[in-house]
Amino acid sequence: DTAVSQTPKYLVTQMGNDKSIKCEQNLGHDTMYWYKQDSKKFLKIMFSYNNKELIINETVPNRFSPKSPDKAHLNLHINSLELGDSAVYFCASSPYGSKRVGTQYFGPGTRLLVL
Amino acid sequence: DAKTTQPNSMESNEEEPVHLPCNHSTISGTDYIHWYRQLPSQGPEYVIHGLTSNVNNRMASLAIAEDRKSSTLILHRATLRDAAVYYCILKGGIDNQGGKLIFGQGTELSVKP
Repeated sequence: DTAVSQTPKYLVTQMGNDKSIKCEQNLGHDTMYWYKQDSKKFLKIMFSYNNKELIINETVPNRFSPKSPDKAHLNLHINSLELGDSAVYFCASSPYGSKRVGTQYFGPGTRLLVL
Repeated sequence: DAKTTQPNSMESNEEEPVHLPCNHSTISGTDYIHWYRQLPSQGPEYVIHGLTSNVNNRMASLAIAEDRKSSTLILHRATLRDAAVYYCILKGGIDNQGGKLIFGQGTELSVKP
């Protein structure tokens, strides 16, 4: 059983297009995240949602809009894709307020290539 | 969040112990020390965490210096599957910032057969 799943696994698209990445977790966690890993393998937090409420927005361009329809899902929509958006995007979840603070479970990643 | 310093890369032989160091001289009293690893083409995965005392789990051991300014992740018998980038991360004990993890460059561990 997959704990944190992402679709699609690979996404190749043209500059200027709009695309979405979906994330689902079946762990019953309250908090979900999006991270971006660039070509230099540097991992950086983008967004965090707790019970469908946005709690972290790390100065990400407005073209990126997360949406959480329920606490098990956190989708990432990207408008007007640019070359620099090419990266691997990881979704993660964690139990909020748990004693094991900071323990996060990551999805397999979505590899986005903008041409 | 306090900063951590790790060697960029380390090598190990299969079935030998590996000690991965991490310096965190500016750690605060409430910071937990977390270790994650990222296997090739996969998402990061939790390894272990601790506050003051040494910790053991099925994956690894965490040795924390008495002054908490450094720690060491110990893999008791490295396997080829342990080849990954290992990240040492400090995380405040109070989850008041959404629980974000701040990743550094990590240590890339290679394991030779």
